[in-house]
Amino acid sequence: GQNIDQPTEMTATEGAIVQINCTYQTSGFNGLFWYQQHAGEAPTFLSYNVLDGLEEKGRFSSFLSRSKGYSYLLLKELQMKDSASYLCAVSDRNSGYALNFGKGTSLLVTP
Amino acid sequence: ETGVTQSPTHLIKTRGQQVTLRCSSQSGHNTVSWYQQALGQGPQFIFQYYREEENGRGNFPPRFSGLQFPNYSSELNVNALELDDSALYLCASSFTGGGTEAFFGQGTRLTVV
Repeated sequence: GQNIDQPTEMTATEGAIVQINCTYQTSGFNGLFWYQQHAGEAPTFLSYNVLDGLEEKGRFSSFLSRSKGYSYLLLKELQMKDSASYLCAVSDRNSGYALNFGKGTSLLVTP
Repeated sequence: ETGVTQSPTHLIKTRGQQVTLRCSSQSGHNTVSWYQQALGQGPQFIFQYYREEENGRGNFPPRFSGLQFPNYSSELNVNALELDDSALYLCASSFTGGGTEAFFGQGTRLTVV
């Protein structure tokens, strides 16, 4: 089965750095994804990690530790438009590589 | 724009009715997954189709069923609608094998009254 946990809400200031954590338990791990979802819109892909370590992509970075069942998404130089829900999702071999999502972290960026 | 289109965008149905939602996948993708997203929650996996066969299913009752067509487009059918079925239904297309990102459509907002 799946158990994916992430904080429900976070608040940060424009220009700052924020780290959103995600822990997971799965029997058929095949990678971890982060998606961004603005209210009323579809999720959009941010990052993918399958090996341990840090993946950097512009202002966004994602880290994975498979032995700890842990990932984080790091957002730098926060902008107001980064206010959104951030979804952690694990790909599971045992369900055809479908994505199993956490409940999402609602990030509010304030001036 | 992800190239994944869903129809309709909004729908209102009465409890007990049946509904069909449609999804056209992105060109080159052979796998379609369906998700249900309740307000304030993350998407919940319903099922997935690869080459017209269901190859994965989440914890949803049999009244949730689907099809995938030779052009890789897909349908989600829900029978005997319940009030709790009110949600955003998301379709995602990908190239199977894992390790590839899924591209989501804009979703269908279903309201059951």
